[in-house]
Amino acid sequence: GAVVSQHPSWVICKSGTSVKIECRSLDFQATTMFWYRQFPKQSLMLMATSNEGSKATYEQGVEKDKFLINHASLTLSTLTVTSAHPEDSSFYICSARGLAGGYSGANVLTFGAGSRLTVL
Amino acid sequence: AQTVTQSQPEMSVQEAETVTLSCTYDTSESDYYLFWYKQPPSRQMILVIRQEAYKQQNATENRFSVNFQKAAKSFSLKISDSQLGDAAMYFCGGFGNEKLTFGTGTRLTIIP
Repeated sequence: GAVVSQHPSWVICKSGTSVKIECRSLDFQATTMFWYRQFPKQSLMLMATSNEGSKATYEQGVEKDKFLINHASLTLSTLTVTSAHPEDSSFYICSARGLAGGYSGANVLTFGAGSRLTVL
Repeated sequence: AQTVTQSQPEMSVQEAETVTLSCTYDTSESDYYLFWYKQPPSRQMILVIRQEAYKQQNATENRFSVNFQKAAKSFSLKISDSQLGDAAMYFCGGFGNEKLTFGTGTRLTIIP
């Protein structure tokens, strides 16, 4: 089936530094990628939607200067947490939506395994 | 805009029995999809089943089936012959207007 690789799976960083998380679709072209944040024992909160070659669309309340999203190709999107602080510690999950008629299907979203960020 | 509501924070079922997880939604879209995802302790989101809103027939995938009531905006998940491996968080989701929105989840426990 369709596979989305998310890296790193976990990262620890010092407060004030920036962290980049990568999300790759391995066997299909992802026209759209979604980034979610999940707090312990809570649901997934949509942070932003990115389309290849376009600026990301952020959900209300999500700081776009804090969470930089780049979707430079049909197989790669990145989330950079800039000047990270302890309150940014969370589980971040990406998901990818494939091209219509493609292997993944236009309306099936495949999720990465997530990245656990801990900011000290 | 769309919202998804799961009113059961926790459910439990005896192994081999049947359990139904509830989900209601609200959307202004005419074309949308509904999903159930499973999140085991590994936290990997796994697609369980999906339903196109324009289809009247309820989707089924082996032991998993849905009861889709479009007029009532209800989308429940039935798990038959529950197995220990079914233990997980289950999230109901709606895809419309180019975004997938999730409910708050139901934690399912399987009793051996």
